[in-house]
Amino acid sequence: AQSVTQPDIHITVSEGASLELRCNYSYGATPYLFWYVQSPGQGLQLLLKYFSGDTLVQGIKGFEAEFKRSQSSFNLRKPSVHWSDAAEYFCAVGARTGANNLFFGTGTRLTVIP
Amino acid sequence: ETGVTQTPRHLVMGMTNKKSLKCEQHLGHNAMYWYKQSAKKPLELMFVYSLEERVENNSVPSRFSPECPNSSHLFLHLHTLQPEDSALYLCASSPSSSGVGTQYFGPGTRLLVL
Repeated sequence: AQSVTQPDIHITVSEGASLELRCNYSYGATPYLFWYVQSPGQGLQLLLKYFSGDTLVQGIKGFEAEFKRSQSSFNLRKPSVHWSDAAEYFCAVGARTGANNLFFGTGTRLTVIP
Repeated sequence: ETGVTQTPRHLVMGMTNKKSLKCEQHLGHNAMYWYKQSAKKPLELMFVYSLEERVENNSVPSRFSPECPNSSHLFLHLHTLQPEDSALYLCASSPSSSGVGTQYFGPGTRLLVL
């Protein structure tokens, strides 16, 4: 069965520090992979996605993620966090064939301190 | 107006009320989705529509009734809800309901059932 694990429920970082949010998935084949961000009271905004090709993908707002097949991981990184990055981050996996259904993790809440 | 819009943004209703949530996408997509987001739980896919036909119903109680009159509009009709139905209801759209396709989300309707 498909599943997505985000092991960190809440992370606090200082502004300007680097960030890595973890995502591990369980899937029968190589899935499509997504990171979304949700600010308070808002919907989900797509940060980046991996479909194929280069396993290091660049997204909006200076975020990047690396797909590691051997570790079934798709961790999100940012070299220098800004206060406006405080939000909830969701990793999701989707099938390459069949229904376009996404399976989401439970999210990681990011707090940024001055 | 671009993207995916949802109205109302907030809704309070009693258990005997009937209300409807509306979603509109301005992206020219063919597939639309309803998700439920509850605290501490992954997003739950409720319904999927492709070209106005329902293609998936994830064991959602009949007190939730979706309607898709055309590929740009999606409704969720609510009646005799329970307090545990209080949640953020997110609408999304994608180019297709199968295979590759990024889902784009609206801002959500925050529902409180009293």
